[in-house]
Amino acid sequence: EIVLTQSPGTLSLSPGERATLSCRASQSVSGTYFAWYQQKPGQAPRLLVQGVSSRATGIPDRFSGSGSGTDFILTISRLEPEDFAVYYCHQYALSPLTFGGGTKVEIK
Amino acid sequence: QVQLQESGPGLVKPSQTLSLTCTVSGGSISSGSFFYNWIRQPAGKGLEWIGRIYTSGNTLYNPSLDGRVTISVDTSKNQFSLQLSSVTAADTAVYYCVRDREHWGQGTLVTVSS
Repeated sequence: EIVLTQSPGTLSLSPGERATLSCRASQSVSGTYFAWYQQKPGQAPRLLVQGVSSRATGIPDRFSGSGSGTDFILTISRLEPEDFAVYYCHQYALSPLTFGGGTKVEIK
Repeated sequence: QVQLQESGPGLVKPSQTLSLTCTVSGGSISSGSFFYNWIRQPAGKGLEWIGRIYTSGNTLYNPSLDGRVTISVDTSKNQFSLQLSSVTAADTAVYYCVRDREHWGQGTLVTVSS
């Protein structure tokens, strides 16, 4: 099983700042089978990025994904008030599909 | 626009079988090439993939659930279903049905308690 470790656990930033979220895999993720989600309280996760760097439908371009192998990054170029939430990374290259433990982006 | 909606009992007794159904609207479940997944999330915790069924009917399950999972599809009703047997309190969670990665149901809370 591929274990995904997200860091930091919590990120305290102000609106307008840049957020950099990391996800490290316990073994190399083959191909581009990697995604990021945003989740707000009481809501289902929302897909932000899949295929490592392809934004999902309707996702603003301030969200960008990058990485390969075992190290992946989600960058939010300038935080908007609605971006404060929990973010999960996800690999779908190998069964069982797995998720990271989440990074909470909170208002500083 | 594809929409998914979970339904089923919100309370299940320990050792019994949890049964949930996901109704898909806005597209036929038997057309295209899609994975239909079940994912769960205990309160305040992260996401766990339970398993999936492909458009062709092939299934794949998370081995951590020790063979307790069955996912099936009913094309006549445009639904797919989850059965999780021998449940314990550890199976208490919000259960989501998901098409591929983009389309999620709103989730349904299932509590395992006597």
